[in-house]
Amino acid sequence: AQSVSQHNHHVILSEAASLELGCNYSYGGTVNLFWYVQYPGQHLQLLLKYFSGDPLVKGIKGFEAEFIKSKFSFNLRKPSVQWSDTAEYFCAVNDETGGFKTIFGAGTRLFVKA
Amino acid sequence: NAGVTQTPKFQVLKTGQSMTLQCAQDMNHEYMSWYRQDPGMGLRLIHYSVGAGITDQGEVPNGYNVSRSTTEDFPLRLLSAAPSQTSVYFCASRPLHAGNQPQHFGDGTRLSIL
Repeated sequence: AQSVSQHNHHVILSEAASLELGCNYSYGGTVNLFWYVQYPGQHLQLLLKYFSGDPLVKGIKGFEAEFIKSKFSFNLRKPSVQWSDTAEYFCAVNDETGGFKTIFGAGTRLFVKA
Repeated sequence: NAGVTQTPKFQVLKTGQSMTLQCAQDMNHEYMSWYRQDPGMGLRLIHYSVGAGITDQGEVPNGYNVSRSTTEDFPLRLLSAAPSQTSVYFCASRPLHAGNQPQHFGDGTRLSIL
């Protein structure tokens, strides 16, 4: 069965610090990968996605992620975080060859100190 | 554009009561799904549907029923509510053969079981 692991459950950073959130998935086939963000009191919104092509994907608000197939990883990065990045971040995977289930990681709560 | 609409936004039930969480989308998406969000556990897939008349189980289906009589609607039924079902429930949709496309999420239903 597919699974998604996010290594950090809580991260606290100061403004301007760099961010990297880890995401590993377990599935040997072709996958589509997503990072979603959930701001306090809101629903999930897409940050970025990867399904083919350049493994370095750029998303909204200065976020990027790198797909490393050999490591089954899709880590999220941002060079300089802002207070407004305080939110919960979810990595998600789906695999259409095995079904239509999109599986989410447990999430990482990011708190950015002003 | 309405997108994905969930009702109600909040609900309190007593143990043993039944209720239906409503989800409707106006984007003609074939794929719809229900997740529950619990602290530290991310989003877990309850049930999903790939079209009218077709539903399947996700990661945590026990205690929940779904049906899909139309493309637009995908209600989630709690048959006999239990305190363990206290959670925030999200409905999501996307086109069927577009696994590389993100899901559109509703605003969620916060459900408390006493």
